[in-house]
Amino acid sequence: SQQGEEDPQALSIQEGENATMNCSYKTSINNLQWYRQNSGRGLVHLILIRSNEREKHSGRLRVTLDTSKKSSSLLITASRAADTASYFCATDGDTDKLIFGTGTRLQVFP
Amino acid sequence: DAGVIQSPRHEVTEMGQEVTLRCKPISGHDYLFWYRQTMMRGLELLIYFNNNVPIDDSGMPEDRFSAKMPNASFSTLKIQPSEPRDSAVYFCASSLRLSTDTQYFGPGTRLTVL
Repeated sequence: SQQGEEDPQALSIQEGENATMNCSYKTSINNLQWYRQNSGRGLVHLILIRSNEREKHSGRLRVTLDTSKKSSSLLITASRAADTASYFCATDGDTDKLIFGTGTRLQVFP
Repeated sequence: DAGVIQSPRHEVTEMGQEVTLRCKPISGHDYLFWYRQTMMRGLELLIYFNNNVPIDDSGMPEDRFSAKMPNASFSTLKIQPSEPRDSAVYFCASSLRLSTDTQYFGPGTRLTVL
């Protein structure tokens, strides 16, 4: 079964707007990762946040983690058309493998 | 490094035929993963290797699927015989030291079984 569930399933915004995606998971984790997948391509790692961290930044990306709520959010600021992709969270949970969520499809219109 | 390399990029075959997908992980990575992605089921982990040894194959759908890693730079995923429901994009990924480290994905093989 899926460990992570992203919300919303799909998101459409205009260039320049911010995009926020959420991930909820079920078990305790050591770290949570976010990946991007462009159409027809493999997944690309964006950022990793550890369970003892609450917020992390990388360029226009901001990730938050709330372990008490078992949730994380990915914020993309000042979005661009090139940010159009699917975004997945992945958690290690109580297993020795990453479990990927169902993904959020982001469409950024120019 | 060229990243994870997969071949072929596209494969179209007829039901009952044998299909072999190939993967070259990033040099120096200890872990190799095979995933399958479909619209209905999302991204599924099929099997993963540590230092060429299969660790967890619980995601392999059935005996028609097999995977090998004869050396640190090469792995295959074989489907024999193939069925239309095997149509999907198959990804290979590798990670450096832990199975839960950042994973680096290949471009995938899009398999269509007619």
